[in-house]
Amino acid sequence: DAGVTQSPTHLIKTRGQQVTLRCSPKSGHDTVSWYQQALGQGPQFIFQYYEEEERQRGNFPDRFSGHQFPNYSSELNVNALLLGDSALYLCASSLAGASGPQHFGDGTRLSIL
Amino acid sequence: AQSVTQPDIHITVSEGASLELRCNYSYGATPYLFWYVQSPGQGLQLLLKYFSGDTLVQGIKGFEAEFKRSQSSFNLRKPSVHWSDAAEYFCAVGPYSGGGADGLTFGKGTHLIIQP
Repeated sequence: DAGVTQSPTHLIKTRGQQVTLRCSPKSGHDTVSWYQQALGQGPQFIFQYYEEEERQRGNFPDRFSGHQFPNYSSELNVNALLLGDSALYLCASSLAGASGPQHFGDGTRLSIL
Repeated sequence: AQSVTQPDIHITVSEGASLELRCNYSYGATPYLFWYVQSPGQGLQLLLKYFSGDTLVQGIKGFEAEFKRSQSSFNLRKPSVHWSDAAEYFCAVGPYSGGGADGLTFGKGTHLIIQP
């Protein structure tokens, strides 16, 4: 039973570029949440997708957008990258309507030069 | 607004000694509380969760946590730590809305160091 998988593992971009990160949820899960974890900080909630729609959003600018596909996998897109976007991006999956917690992937380490 | 405070940035414990990591939360409704552990370069692994029932919850790896509503606390404990417990520990809170399917608010973490 595969857990949450994220790709790529590491990514290096330059300021102003755009990036797409990918996430496959744990088998049986239908909801995907994305978090940003800056170095030395706790994860911060970016947004959540359910039924291919953004259901909830944290305090992040519109440069951060996402998508969920019919197979429940998800993408996180970030436009006009800033140095401050350097972080570990974590994907978490869960089952809507159940009392189970969110399960996290190992993350994508994004470095902006 | 909801918030989580982990007062201790670093804690050093001798191997075999007991451990308590503190967590205080601020939340306007019934909270759904979690402890996660993160090893270097890894994602978050769930240690335990609480949303109702017995206020002392057991988790994996010998960890337990106690929910105290009057103190808005959810402290993590372990009677005897092992060198492999060295990691970053995060407390998190979310709404209990029929699922862990809402955005969680995390504390800044406590870095646990184990002395031989």
